[in-house]
Amino acid sequence: AQKVTQAQTEISVVEKEDVTLDCVYETRDTTYYLFWYKQPPSGELVFLIRRNSFDEQNEISGRYSWNFQKSTSSFNFTITASQVVDSAVYFCALNEDSNYQLIWGAGTKLIIKP
Amino acid sequence: NAGVTQTPKFQVLKTGQSMTLQCAQDMNHNSMYWYRQDPGMGLRLIYYSASEGTTDKGEVPNGYNVSRLNKREFSLRLESAAPSQTSVYFCASSEARGLGYTFGSGTRLTVV
Repeated sequence: AQKVTQAQTEISVVEKEDVTLDCVYETRDTTYYLFWYKQPPSGELVFLIRRNSFDEQNEISGRYSWNFQKSTSSFNFTITASQVVDSAVYFCALNEDSNYQLIWGAGTKLIIKP
Repeated sequence: NAGVTQTPKFQVLKTGQSMTLQCAQDMNHNSMYWYRQDPGMGLRLIYYSASEGTTDKGEVPNGYNVSRLNKREFSLRLESAAPSQTSVYFCASSEARGLGYTFGSGTRLTVV
C-alpha cells in the first residue's frame, strides 16, 4: 500500500542552524514521483521539488537540498543556515504512476527561532 | 498569471445547508483535483478529473459531488453540509499525472 511517513511532528531550531526533515515512503510501483511542499502560516501550498523514481541524483537549490535514496525509501530535505522565514509546515508527498492520487505525509512543523 | 483560483476563501454553513466551491485554472492543465486538509494531517483527495469530461472518486468522496464544467473549471458541491466537513479545501491542477501540481489558496469551511 502507498504511504508517506513524516515521523517528525515538530522541529524547533535557532536561526542559522541546519535542519533535516525526514520522509519515508512506501510503494509497490517502480515508477513514482516524490514531492515536497511548504505551507507557511498564511496557508497556501508552495511547491518546492519533484523527483521521479529513476532520478536518484541529489539536488541543491540555494539553501535547500534533497537526498533521495531508493534503498531506504527516503526523500529527506535539508535546510542549511535556516532563517525565520523558513518557519512553516513542510509536506512530503508521493504520486504513483498507476493512479492520480497524491498521498501526503502528515507534515513537519518547522519553527525557526531568531 | 492567476494560476488556480478558488472561491470563496471563507464560508460558514449551518448543518444541512448546501454550497458549491468554485475552482478555475488558466494554465490549460488537463487534470484537476479537490483535496481537504484537516488539522495535523496531510491533504486527502476527495475527487479528481483526469481530463475534461471525466471525474472519479478519491479517498474521501462521501458527502460531495463534483462537476468538470469545462477544461478550466472544476466545482465541488456539498449537498447537505455536516460538521465533519469542516475543513480547508484545496483545488489543484496538473498538466498530467505525476507532474507538478499547482494549488489554489484554499477555502476555509466551517459547518456549525
